[in-house]
Amino acid sequence: GQNIDQPTEMTATEGAIVQINCTYQTSGFNGLFWYQQHAGEAPTFLSYNVLDGLEEKGRFSSFLSRSKGYSYLLLKELQMKDSASYLCATLRAGNMLTFGGGTRLMVKP
Amino acid sequence: GAVVSQHPSWVICKSGTSVKIECRSLDFQATTMFWYRQFPKQSLMLMATSNEGSKATYEQGVEKDKFLINHASLTLSTLTVTSAHPEDSSFYICSAISGEFYEQYFGPGTRLTVT
Repeated sequence: GQNIDQPTEMTATEGAIVQINCTYQTSGFNGLFWYQQHAGEAPTFLSYNVLDGLEEKGRFSSFLSRSKGYSYLLLKELQMKDSASYLCATLRAGNMLTFGGGTRLMVKP
Repeated sequence: GAVVSQHPSWVICKSGTSVKIECRSLDFQATTMFWYRQFPKQSLMLMATSNEGSKATYEQGVEKDKFLINHASLTLSTLTVTSAHPEDSSFYICSAISGEFYEQYFGPGTRLTVT
């Protein structure tokens, strides 16, 4: 089966760091994606992890622990434009994605 | 590169009518396309997987006779919502991948409102 959990909402201050956690139980796990989605728009790709460890890409980093079924997305130097929903998604056989419920991040001045 | 378009971007239709949504890969050949549905403040739910030239594979709970999917070419897939009802009002998003490469490229979405 497929089960993905992430917090529903988070609030952070401009310039700060925020960590969005994701836990999953996915049969046939082939990797984990993080997407950003602004309201009314399609998701945009942020990161992909298939091996354990931290992947850093500019202000965004993503971590994966396959043994723990755990990932997090780390956003540094928060900007107002980072206010969006962040979707954790696991990849399974057939290149199919299963999305978590998404975390709505609100960045305040 | 890797641009996916959808048409229309929004549509309003009357209950009982059918609506067709197109998904096109503009600069690559999409061997597989996916159709998702997203209700307000919820995440994306996979409806079906579509491979060029073959029948779509529907997720559990999705009515294949209501949501007709056609993937006639490597650059076009269509989703037809037949006999639409207000509860079908949602944001429909398609995505595409090329070959065995895992990254999905998403279209901009189509907002369907059934009155």
